[in-house]
Amino acid sequence: AQSVTQLDSQVPVFEEAPVELRCNYSSSVSVYLFWYVQYPNQGLQLLLKYLSGSTLVKGINGFEAEFNKSQTSFHLRKPSVHISDTAEYFCAVSDPPGGAAGNKLTFGGGTRVLVKP
Amino acid sequence: DAGVTQSPTHLIKTRGQHVTLRCSPISGHKSVSWYQQVLGQGPQFIFQYYEKEERGRGNFPDRFSARQFPNYSSELNVNALLLGDSALYLCASSLVQGLFDGNTIYFGEGSWLTVV
Repeated sequence: AQSVTQLDSQVPVFEEAPVELRCNYSSSVSVYLFWYVQYPNQGLQLLLKYLSGSTLVKGINGFEAEFNKSQTSFHLRKPSVHISDTAEYFCAVSDPPGGAAGNKLTFGGGTRVLVKP
Repeated sequence: DAGVTQSPTHLIKTRGQHVTLRCSPISGHKSVSWYQQVLGQGPQFIFQYYEKEERGRGNFPDRFSARQFPNYSSELNVNALLLGDSALYLCASSLVQGLFDGNTIYFGEGSWLTVV
């Protein structure tokens, strides 16, 4: 069974400082990886995804993530955060096509980012 | 264009009651998935439907059921509600089955269910 661990439940950060959110996954097969953001009282919005190819993935709003197969990690980074980045961030994993899981995503527990002025 | 729409946005039910949550996917999307997000946790997969057939089921009891209609909208039904069913229920849609470039999963804003 797949699992996703987000190592930090909360990350306080000052405005314009960099931030890194850590994500490790456990899977016996190759996977696709995703980061979603959830603003207060809203649904999930896709930030970026890794399906194949370059291990450095660029997403929306200045976020990027790096897939490291040997360390089974997919950490999310932003070089300079804004107040508007205050939200909860979820890492997710899914089997690639051909697996029985279909469109199933397995999410981590989330990391709450609080950007301070 | 409208995104994934869910109704109702909030509801309160009593233990033992039944609830029906509704989801309209983005126009043209044929796959719908349901997730449960308990407060303070990540979403958990409940069901996926594609072309009106169940294509995936998570580890939830039989009290949970769903269906997809010919217009690709979907309903999630939960019987004999328990306090632990209190959660945000998220619906997600995508064009087709499978996760590949060009087939992004889009989430709705969810239905908040409180069981008292």
